[in-house]
Amino acid sequence: DVKVTQSSRYLVKRTGEKVFLECVQDMDHENMFWYRQDPGLGLRLIYFSYDVKMKEKGDIPEGYSVSREKKERFSLILESASTNQTSMYLCASSQPRQLSSGNTIYFGEGSWLTVV
Amino acid sequence: AQKITQTQPGMFVQEKEAVTLDCTYDTSDPSYGLFWYKQPSSGEMIFLIYQGSYDQQNATEGRYSLNFQKARKSANLVISASQLGDSAMYFCARDHSGAGSYQLTFGKGTKLSVIP
Repeated sequence: DVKVTQSSRYLVKRTGEKVFLECVQDMDHENMFWYRQDPGLGLRLIYFSYDVKMKEKGDIPEGYSVSREKKERFSLILESASTNQTSMYLCASSQPRQLSSGNTIYFGEGSWLTVV
Repeated sequence: AQKITQTQPGMFVQEKEAVTLDCTYDTSDPSYGLFWYKQPSSGEMIFLIYQGSYDQQNATEGRYSLNFQKARKSANLVISASQLGDSAMYFCARDHSGAGSYQLTFGKGTKLSVIP
């Protein structure tokens, strides 16, 4: 089974702190994604990466950056956390070919971040 | 931007009854895929079912089926014989390609509550 592991389930950080959310996948997937989920807004794509050291902005990249130094690991960075970044963050991975029933996007369990 | 519309923020269904969750989508692509995910309160996103735009038959997976009406651009999820464990958020998504990867765009979700 595909395993996407997010390092922290629950975090509480102070405004202005630098926050790292870590994600590791064990299926050798080229693609990795970071989504943010808020009530009434669904999932919104922050950043994605299709290869090591490659990154592309998603729909809401402002206030975030990412790092992918190794294929299995994709980190989301909040350079200076703000209260409006309180949310649930979902990491995901997939193979690079077209999505289908045999190649879906696989998600981690989510990280609940509260910025106070 | 690709748009996915789920018009039902919340739904209630009696245990053992069937329920339909609505989903409509934008597209100008001839080939695309539609996905449904389930998110229990624990937060993990669970892939349920996939429908390809060229599939001749509606997709089925156990108690889940997809009522795919291509001309109407709708892909409604039907859950038969609802169980208490079906209480969760349900997200519709469609794929699209861009910047070297295939991605999913999600709707805002429908919260399903199954009543004993």
